[in-house]
Amino acid sequence: AQSVTQLGSHVSVSEGALVLLRCNYSSSVPPYLFWYVQYPNQGLQLLLKYTSAATLVKGINGFEAEFKKSETSFHLTKPSAHMSDAAEYFCAVSVMTGNQFYFGTGTSLTVIP
Amino acid sequence: NAGVTQTPKFRVLKTGQSMTLLCAQDMNHEYMYWYRQDPGMGLRLIHYSVGEGTTAKGEVPDGYNVSRLKKQNFLLGLESAAPSQTSVYFCASSLTPWEQYFGPGTRLTVT
Repeated sequence: AQSVTQLGSHVSVSEGALVLLRCNYSSSVPPYLFWYVQYPNQGLQLLLKYTSAATLVKGINGFEAEFKKSETSFHLTKPSAHMSDAAEYFCAVSVMTGNQFYFGTGTSLTVIP
Repeated sequence: NAGVTQTPKFRVLKTGQSMTLLCAQDMNHEYMYWYRQDPGMGLRLIHYSVGEGTTAKGEVPDGYNVSRLKKQNFLLGLESAAPSQTSVYFCASSLTPWEQYFGPGTRLTVT
């Protein structure tokens, strides 16, 4: 079975500071991992995905994430936060043989001017 | 290209009433999904479909039914609404299981 844990339901950072959103996964088989962003009153938008190629994955809007198998982690980072990054972020896991995603409970990012 | 659209955007039901949510996609995707989003619980999969005429249960299927009679449409039905079904419902579609495109959501309140 697969599952995702996002540490910290709320994260606040100052504009220009490093953004770090944590995601740990559990999977009995090699996983595919994803980060989605949800702006207020909108659906989810794919930020980036890991599908067993390079372990450092670059996504849209300057975000990136690193797959660390030994730590079962897939943390999302951005060097410098912008006000427009304020949103809800979801980590998700899937496996190649399955048709289902399992989402984490989400992390709400606030950017302080 | 409209992507994924959902109808209606908002709905208020009384306990015991029924309704159908419509999801439509114009990307010729095989896979379609219905999720519910509740505070502090992330998104949970209700039902999904891997092609026209097929459906399967997800994580929280009880109280819901679905149909995929046409490739571009995926319907979610509530036969007898309950307050516990108050939620925001999202539809998604994908060409592969791991890159899903989401609709804007339907906010449902059951009183």
